Amino acid sequence: QKEVEQNSGPLSVPEGAIASLNCTYSDRGSQSFFWYRQYSGKSPELIMSIYSNGDKEDGRFTAQLNKASQYVSLLIRDSQPSDSATYLCAVNTGGGNKLTFGTGTQLKVEL
Amino acid sequence: GAGVSQSPRYKVAKRGQDVALRCDPISGHVSLFWYQQALGQGPEFLTYFQNEAQLDKSGLPSDRFFAERPEGSVSTLKIQRTQQEDSAVYLCASSLDGGRGTQYFGPGTRLLVL
Repeated sequence: QKEVEQNSGPLSVPEGAIASLNCTYSDRGSQSFFWYRQYSGKSPELIMSIYSNGDKEDGRFTAQLNKASQYVSLLIRDSQPSDSATYLCAVNTGGGNKLTFGTGTQLKVEL
Repeated sequence: GAGVSQSPRYKVAKRGQDVALRCDPISGHVSLFWYQQALGQGPEFLTYFQNEAQLDKSGLPSDRFFAERPEGSVSTLKIQRTQQEDSAVYLCASSLDGGRGTQYFGPGTRLLVL
């Protein structure tokens, strides 16, 4: 079992729809969770961080964390073509000294 | 302010050649991380510095990989006797407060070993 698992996609949604991206993790000791966006040929860019159970909203983005289920998700409302990218879930592991990433979910927002 | 910078952005090396990749973190960030990203994969942890101390090097794939941060600021990742499997993007990230804090990534160095 991989430490951080994501569906690789591609996930296709129409413009204006809600995109839902999911991630599960295995290290119960993890305390910090991050979503990064990565455009092709570019480096990861932080979208959201979340540390406590529940929802955290920032503009069109909502991160959801459920530590009991070891599950973290990202919702993107009113999806735009510019949201088309790979979304990487990252979890703090190894006693807090590193991030472990999933393989990423490719999102395509179609006109 | 300035973000994390890396140089060179692209490097082509012949198999067996040594390479050195540089990372300049965000000013004031005490923690610095190196990751390796293969095509179609997420970044994989290589090593972590807190100031000048290398606290975790568990992700370095072999003894051909060596990293240093002698003055607690700029870091260099060195790969000796490069192999084709070393071809990847090498990402540097920095954070204010260790692995639990937000890590900000540089643009990466794309290494191609022929």
